[in-house]
Amino acid sequence: AQSVSQHNHHVILSEAASLELGCNYSYGGTVNLFWYVQYPGQHLQLLLKYFSGDPLVKGIKGFEAEFIKSKFSFNLRKPSVQWSDTAEYFCAVNPNTNAGKSTFGDGTTLTVKP
Amino acid sequence: DTAVSQTPKYLVTQMGNDKSIKCEQNLGHDTMYWYKQDSKKFLKIMFSYNNKELIINETVPNRFSPKSPDKAHLNLHINSLELGDSAVYFCASSPIGSPGANVLTFGAGSRLTVL
Repeated sequence: AQSVSQHNHHVILSEAASLELGCNYSYGGTVNLFWYVQYPGQHLQLLLKYFSGDPLVKGIKGFEAEFIKSKFSFNLRKPSVQWSDTAEYFCAVNPNTNAGKSTFGDGTTLTVKP
Repeated sequence: DTAVSQTPKYLVTQMGNDKSIKCEQNLGHDTMYWYKQDSKKFLKIMFSYNNKELIINETVPNRFSPKSPDKAHLNLHINSLELGDSAVYFCASSPIGSPGANVLTFGAGSRLTVL
């Protein structure tokens, strides 16, 4: 079974600081990788995804993530965070099958101070 | 129009009661899910249905019974509620087949509090 590890449980940054959230997974086969975001009081929504091809993927709101297969990692980055990025961030992995299930990491709480 | 809608949004009930949460999606997706988010925000899949057929059933007490009358609906019934059932329950859906397979669209969540 696959598992996902997010290294940072709570990150506090000032506006304009750069962000990198770590995500590592364990699964031997081909995977689809995702970052979801949950803004305060809202439901989870997709931030970005990797299926295949270019390992550097860009998502909404200036976020990007890089898939490094040799490291089983899919770290999330943003060059300059804003107060509105305050949210819970979840990394997820799904085996590359049509009926696969997404396994989520424990989540990282990002607090951006104005 | 809400893509994945759940009702109720909040549910407060006593131990031992039976309750249901309903979910509907208007995206035309074939697969629907129930996820449980505990107080530490950890998300864990409970069930998955593909076109009304149960395909994923994680280690969940049999007090939890999902029902899918059609591929647009997936309801969750919980019998004999316990304190540990307090959580936020998220319904989600996804298409099958590339390129969107396994991309989850979530509902707003149903916060269940068992007293």
